[in-house]
Amino acid sequence: NAGVTQTPKFQVLKTGQSMTLQCAQDMNHNSMYWYRQDPGMGLRLIYYSASEGTTDKGEVPNGYNVSRLNKREFSLRLESAAPSQTSVYFCASSEWLSYEQYFGPGTRLTVT
Amino acid sequence: QKEVEQNSGPLSVPEGAIASLNCTYSDRGSQSFFWYRQYSGKSPELIMSIYSNGDKEDGRFTAQLNKASQYVSLLIRDSQPSDSATYLCAVTGDDKIIFGKGTRLHILP
Repeated sequence: NAGVTQTPKFQVLKTGQSMTLQCAQDMNHNSMYWYRQDPGMGLRLIYYSASEGTTDKGEVPNGYNVSRLNKREFSLRLESAAPSQTSVYFCASSEWLSYEQYFGPGTRLTVT
Repeated sequence: QKEVEQNSGPLSVPEGAIASLNCTYSDRGSQSFFWYRQYSGKSPELIMSIYSNGDKEDGRFTAQLNKASQYVSLLIRDSQPSDSATYLCAVTGDDKIIFGKGTRLHILP
């Protein structure tokens, strides 16, 4: 039982490059979330998926897209990376209608 | 803009003492309250959830909720060096969860 897994762990991009962050959970949770965490800013919600087939914007969605591929997987895509997207990205999951979230290990992204 | 406020710290507590972490929130309609622990360079880990006024105990941890005062706290008894971490308070509002920026706790050996 791996919980929530994320790939890659580290990534360096040049401005304008694109990439997809992958997240998978094996806890049979309905809801999944993407956060970014920056020093002094705390955790900020980018997008979430309350259940398979639905996605909604969070607090800071600009510059990102998401795909809920199936119940297990929720990916985050940066179409044209910018230095302001340098951050640590966390994926989380929870049972439907519960906010007890379980986090993945994170992806540390640097955009130069 | 709904907010969750925490003192950033660091809060320094001697080993074996009680650490008290506090959090206030702005949304009177909030129903669910959580404490997460985050070690440096690691992801947040859920340690306590509380949904009704009063105290909830789990081992050395006690969460306290006062909805009238819009205040939630976390007490850590018999503090250990391994409790040194950042503690994030989280509160639900408008079908979303809002995190505070966290309080850094340092347990002094």
